[in-house]
Amino acid sequence: DSGVTQTPKHLITATGQRVTLRCSPRSGDLSVYWYQQSLDQGLQFLIQYYNGEERAKGNILERFSAQQFPDLHSELNLSSLELGDSALYFCASSVIAGGPWGDTQYFGPGTRLTVL
Amino acid sequence: GESVGLHLPTLSVQEGDNSIINCAYSNSASDYFIWYKQESGKGPQFIIDIRSNMDKRQGQRVTVLLNKTVKHLSLQIAATQPGDSAVYFCAENRNSGNTPLVFGKGTRLSVIA
Repeated sequence: DSGVTQTPKHLITATGQRVTLRCSPRSGDLSVYWYQQSLDQGLQFLIQYYNGEERAKGNILERFSAQQFPDLHSELNLSSLELGDSALYFCASSVIAGGPWGDTQYFGPGTRLTVL
Repeated sequence: GESVGLHLPTLSVQEGDNSIINCAYSNSASDYFIWYKQESGKGPQFIIDIRSNMDKRQGQRVTVLLNKTVKHLSLQIAATQPGDSAVYFCAENRNSGNTPLVFGKGTRLSVIA
C-alpha cells in the first residue's frame, strides 16, 4: 500500500457526461500528479499541483481540469466525456523536500473510467 | 483487468533464474530514474531508483544499472519468483525530480513455475 488513495475505484458513465475523480496524497506529501493510462498510449502525464498551485501541465485536454485543495487532496474533473476517455487514471504524490534531488512519486490504485 | 499496452515486449523467465529488463532513454538531461512494477489492475509500485551521479544501486533482490554513455537503464531481479510477474516500467525525470515522470512503454515479465 503506497499511502495514496483514490476514489472511486471504478466509474461507468455515458458520453457527454462529467465525472470527478478524487485523490488523497500520502501524509506529508505536498505535490500531486495525475496520469492517464490507456491501452495504446501507456502512462501519460496530465497535470501536477504543488501545495494548491498548478505546477506543470502535460497533455491534458481542455475538457479536463484539476485542483488541489487546502487539505492537499486533489480532484480531476473530466467533462463532455468521449469513448476515447476510457482509461485508468492514476494519481501520484511526492513530498518535495527541497533537497538537490527529487523525491519519489508514489502511485495510488487508480480509477478505471469506462465511457459507454 | 488489463491496464497496459497490448504490444509490450515480453520476457519469460524460469522461476529461480535471474531476470534482466532493459530500458533506453532518450533525454541526456534526465538525471533521475525509477523502476516501477505494475500488476494487473493495480497502480505502479515503486521498486528502486537511481540518480545520475551513480551507475549502480542495489535493493532487496533487485539491482539497477545506469549507463549514461549509451543512455541505457536495466533492472536485474535475482531468483525470480512467480510474484514478480508483472509489467515493469522505467521512468525518467529531469531537473532533479519533482517534475512529471516520462514513462517507457513497459516490459511484461512472465515467470514460469
